[in-house]
Amino acid sequence: EAQVTQNPRYLITVTGKKLTVTCSQNMNHEYMSWYRQDPGLGLRQIYYSMNVEVTDKGDVPEGYKVSRKEKRNFPLILESPSPNQTSLYFCASSYDGEYTGELFFGEGSRLTVL
Amino acid sequence: QKEVEQNSGPLSVPEGAIASLNCTYSDRVSQSFFWYRQYSGKSPELIMSIYSNGDKEDGRFTAQLNKASQYVSLLIRDSQPSDSATYLCAVAYNQGGKLIFGQGTELSVKP
Repeated sequence: EAQVTQNPRYLITVTGKKLTVTCSQNMNHEYMSWYRQDPGLGLRQIYYSMNVEVTDKGDVPEGYKVSRKEKRNFPLILESPSPNQTSLYFCASSYDGEYTGELFFGEGSRLTVL
Repeated sequence: QKEVEQNSGPLSVPEGAIASLNCTYSDRVSQSFFWYRQYSGKSPELIMSIYSNGDKEDGRFTAQLNKASQYVSLLIRDSQPSDSATYLCAVAYNQGGKLIFGQGTELSVKP
């Protein structure tokens, strides 16, 4: 089954404790991206990757890091989480950069930072 | 700052009616336009993409793009209660990887 898998789905953590949200896709997609969704603000792009070893900032990259060492994986790293990073996070992928907007989304990871 | 604007709603229509959802965008170099549906507690799913001016139909859905006026719309014919969801408009810029979403319009279809 074609899918984008995120882990963990739910996480409660404390300020400053480093965490990683993993994302893996099994569709051989070149393009991957991370979004956060907050009430009233919609989906905002954090980082995206056009291909392996190629990443770039979206609209809200502050406080986040990403890496793309393999085509299938695109982890999101919060080095020192803060309460304003409490949000619902989605990972998404698409076939390639030309079809950036035709995204397959993961099920989401709900993060709470206390 | 590139922006994508949608009315947040809720938009309420009776079952069987046509639901009309609208989206405007600020940047004239926008290339590609997308409509996603998001049920409560679920992830967004792509329902329509449109790349050139005019209408594109897929079943009960029609996407309309007018680049001169910088708007894109989604029509849902014969609306069903199962269409009740939030509809997200998204705009991609120059194949550069950036994709901007609107805030979404909540649609409620009443039986």
